[in-house]
Amino acid sequence: QITLKESGPTLVRPTQTLTLTCTFSGFSLRTNGVGVGWIRQPPGKAPEWLALIYWSDDKRYSPSLQTRLTISQDTSRNQVVLTMTNMDPVDSGTYYCALSTMAARPDWFDPWGHGILVTVSS
Amino acid sequence: SSELTQSPAMSVSPGQTARITCSGDVFPLLYVHWYQQKPGQAPILVIFKDTERPSGIPERFSGSTSGTTVTLTISGVQAEDEADYYCQSADSSSVFWVFGGGTKLTVL
Repeated sequence: QITLKESGPTLVRPTQTLTLTCTFSGFSLRTNGVGVGWIRQPPGKAPEWLALIYWSDDKRYSPSLQTRLTISQDTSRNQVVLTMTNMDPVDSGTYYCALSTMAARPDWFDPWGHGILVTVSS
Repeated sequence: SSELTQSPAMSVSPGQTARITCSGDVFPLLYVHWYQQKPGQAPILVIFKDTERPSGIPERFSGSTSGTTVTLTISGVQAEDEADYYCQSADSSSVFWVFGGGTKLTVL
């Protein structure tokens, strides 16, 4: 069974850096074609893709946020970490990680973690 | 263009057919994937690669394509299908992933 779980702070102050960890089981990021992506969703709005890292350490970022994002992996711990700098209240929302496989153009995300609600407020 | 356009909302009675569309210039060049999201829950994949259904998803969910418009069809809608539905693809260069704005399906 494949599971992913997001962890990190639920309250961040404006201008601070957010660090989220995705801990997964049931698959390996050493497997050819496998990736883990981060997607966020402001309350009442559509999901927004943020970043993705593949087994090869190939990293992709949202063009509108790439200067603020860093994604990395720790294959020994089965974790993927996302950092987002200079947080603002508009960055509040639920942050999800999800499994991606390079099986089509483009990849799909399945399954997703339960998500973590992050609030940016002073 | 990297935008995917969905109608914001639709409503159907139980047993009817719901057709949720998603328009984008990347179709049919790229695949579309569809997600269902119920309140307080993470999205779940209901259709991938335009027309394929993951295991465990009821047969009443199907996908189709026609030019630059893709469609998620729910035949014989049930009350439990009330949810938000999102299409997902990518920009034309497949550099980044894109979600549609979502369609809120209400079952009357």
